[in-house]
Amino acid sequence: DVKVTQSSRYLVKRTGEKVFLECVQDMDHENMFWYRQDPGLGLRLIYFSYDVKMKEKGDIPEGYSVSREKKERFSLILESASTNQTSMYLCASSLDKRYGYTFGSGTRLTVV
Amino acid sequence: RKEVEQDPGPFNVPEGATVAFNCTYSNSASQSFFWYRQDCRKEPKLLMSVYSSGNEDGRFTAQLNRASQYISLLIRDSKLSDSATYLCVVNKGSNYQLIWGAGTKLIIKP
Repeated sequence: DVKVTQSSRYLVKRTGEKVFLECVQDMDHENMFWYRQDPGLGLRLIYFSYDVKMKEKGDIPEGYSVSREKKERFSLILESASTNQTSMYLCASSLDKRYGYTFGSGTRLTVV
Repeated sequence: RKEVEQDPGPFNVPEGATVAFNCTYSNSASQSFFWYRQDCRKEPKLLMSVYSSGNEDGRFTAQLNRASQYISLLIRDSKLSDSATYLCVVNKGSNYQLIWGAGTKLIIKP
């Protein structure tokens, strides 16, 4: 089974801090995704990547950036955390559009 | 109109009953369809893909109606452990991006 590992389950950060969320997958998938999930809004795509060093904006990229230096690792960066970035962050990877995504267990970020 | 729409529920269903959810999508070019299950405070997990001819996996049956642009999920003989939120997911035209419904909450009561 594909394993997608997110570095932290819970994080509390202060407003203005730079925050790094790490995601690693072990099945050589080319496609990786970062979502946030908020009650009543469902999953919203922040950024995605189809290959190393490649990134594309999703639906809500403002206030975020990403890094993909190695195929297995896709990092989400909050340049200057704000309280409206308090959310559940989910990383996913995919082999092919026919197979759906596999998610990590999520990081619940609280910005105070 | 949302790209993928689901009834948020909750659906309160007695154990052993049959329950069905529908989900409508707006992009006629979508080619891949899925149902995911998400337990409270956990990540979504793939329940099943939805194929053009319909498909079954144990107590779960998924159907696709391209003409009316909806997919459905039927759960027979529901169990307490089926309580979860069910997410309808559709790909964005021909590419890898998936569009997620906000989910339908199902509560199975003893």
